Amino acid sequence: DGGITQSPKYLFRKEGQNVTLSCEQNLNHDAMYWYRQDPGQGLRLIYYSQIVNDFQKGDIAEGYSVSREKKESFPLTVTSAQKNPTAFYLCASSIGLAGTPYEQYFGPGTRLTVT
Amino acid sequence: QKEVEQDPGPLSVPEGAIVSLNCTYSNSAFQYFMWYRQYSRKGPELLMYTYSSGNKEDGRFTAQVDKSSKYISLFIRDSQPSDSATYLCAMSGGSNYKLTFGKGTLLTVNP
Repeated sequence: DGGITQSPKYLFRKEGQNVTLSCEQNLNHDAMYWYRQDPGQGLRLIYYSQIVNDFQKGDIAEGYSVSREKKESFPLTVTSAQKNPTAFYLCASSIGLAGTPYEQYFGPGTRLTVT
Repeated sequence: QKEVEQDPGPLSVPEGAIVSLNCTYSNSAFQYFMWYRQYSRKGPELLMYTYSSGNKEDGRFTAQVDKSSKYISLFIRDSQPSDSATYLCAMSGGSNYKLTFGKGTLLTVNP
């Protein structure tokens, strides 16, 4: 089955530690995205990548880093510089230039709790 | 003024009711409009995708876009308890595929 997987589903970390969230897709999509969702808030874009080895900052990139070494993978690192990292993190992908790039498909999310 | 405004609700309706969910926006460059459904603690699921103005129907769901009023709607006919979720509108118009989301409306359909 094609889709987007995120692991783990729940993640707990101590303050001051970096943590990496995994996102893998087998949809052969070119573009991938990371969002953050807080209670009562819409989705806010952290980083996005339209092609391998290239990525751009979204609206709230401070304290986060990403890499895009493979088409199917787009890991997100939440660094200790992120002041309020506890949130629900969502990864998405879209087909990119070849089709309708605005249709983004989401993974199941990772709930990160930092104490 | 926020780029996308969406009433957060909560909205509670009886089973079988017609539900109307709405978003307004301020950016006239938006041309692509989407509705997502998100169940509690799950990722959003794309429901409807519309380009420019007009209506689009898919089963019990109808999406409407009125670009002159900068207003989009999602109608759900014969609502079911399984429709209980948060509904997010999203839109875009640029070349970088960025979506701007509303905050979501929490809908409960009571049996």
